[in-house]
This record gives sequence, C-alpha cells and structure tokens, in this order.
Amino acid sequence: QKEVEQDPGPLSVPEGAIVSLNCTYSNSAFQYFMWYRQYSRKGPELLMYTYSSGNKEDGRFTAQVDKSSKYISLFIRDSQPSDSATYLCATGNAGNMLTFGGGTRLMVKP
Amino acid sequence: DAGITQSPRYKITETGRQVTLMCHQTWSHSYMFWYRQDLGHGLRLIYYSAAADITDKGEVPDGYVVSRSKTENFPLTLESATRSQTSVYFCASSGDRNSPLHFGNGTRLTVT
Repeated sequence: QKEVEQDPGPLSVPEGAIVSLNCTYSNSAFQYFMWYRQYSRKGPELLMYTYSSGNKEDGRFTAQVDKSSKYISLFIRDSQPSDSATYLCATGNAGNMLTFGGGTRLMVKP
Repeated sequence: DAGITQSPRYKITETGRQVTLMCHQTWSHSYMFWYRQDLGHGLRLIYYSAAADITDKGEVPDGYVVSRSKTENFPLTLESATRSQTSVYFCASSGDRNSPLHFGNGTRLTVT
C-alpha cells in the first residue's frame, strides 16, 4: 500500500462546477499537508500549505485535513478552464520532506 | 531572473552513457532535492541536500550520484544510464525544513 493514495482521474467537469479532489494517507505522524498544481510540461507549483489539521481558504480554493480519518481534500469553487491541470497532494513530517500522491488530472470544459 | 532553473529541458542518451542534469537556484535556499516523476509512481525522491557538501539518499537513489559544492547548484549524474531511468526529473529547493518545495520545470530524459 502506498503511503499517499490519490485517484488518478481524469476528472472532467463543466466550467463553474465545484470540484472535490481527495487523498488518503497512512502515516498518522504526518503534520504537513500540501496541494501542488502541475500544468503539462511544467513543474509542480504550490497551491495550498496546511500545518496540522483544519481548513485553509485562499480565493476559490479550500484545503481540508481530517487527521482522524487521514483524509486530505481540496475544493475548487467556480472552476475555470485554466484550472485544468494535475493536482498533487503531499504530506510529511516536515514542510520539505514530503510523500506525494500520484496526482489527479482535472479537466474543466468551457 | 530569480528562481530555480534546470538544464537541459530535453535529453536523449544511450544506454551506458554518463549524463549530468543541472539545477541552479538563486534564492540561496539551504535545501535542494532531486525527484523523478513516472506514470503510476508519482514523484519519488532520489537525493536531497540540506547544505553545501551535505547530501543524503531518498527513496530511489540507485544509479544516481549527486554533489553540492556550492549552495546554488545541485547536479544529478547518471553514471551509466539505463532504460529504466527514462523519466522526467525535477529539481526543487526549500529554505528550511518548515518551508515548502519550489520546483523547476523539469528535464525530460530518454535513454535509448
């Protein structure tokens, strides 16, 4: 079993939809939770950074961490075609020592 | 421009050849990392460095060599390339253990 599991998709939604992306992880000691966005032929870019549990909101994006169920979520409101990318969740014991999920490919259709 | 740059962007080499991938960052970050990204495996850590002259193995270090004589550079060498090392390689940097990773745009390596 992988330490961080993520549905690879692809997930296809119409423009304006609310998108829910999810990951599960196995190590209960992990305290740092990240979401990275990766466009085709580009490097991952940090989208959301959370320490410990709870919610974090940034514009149209909300990250949630449920440590009791080892579940990480990213919600995108009013999705746009420019949100089409692969979304990587990552978690670890330090902000820079992360285990990554395999990524979920999201396609937002106009 | 400030940031993290990788070179070359694309590289084709033959089995058994030595190849070096370059990574340069302008933030003076202490930490630097090399990952490979493959379908079905996601991002896997090859090597990392906490400071100049300090390196450590990650999850998949076999067949790779790194060095870090200067803070800003972290080259990755494949001593004798194999087809299984065909992948996209990403370099990343981080200011400290609590800071997130910042990635370069990758080197797409094909070993024939």
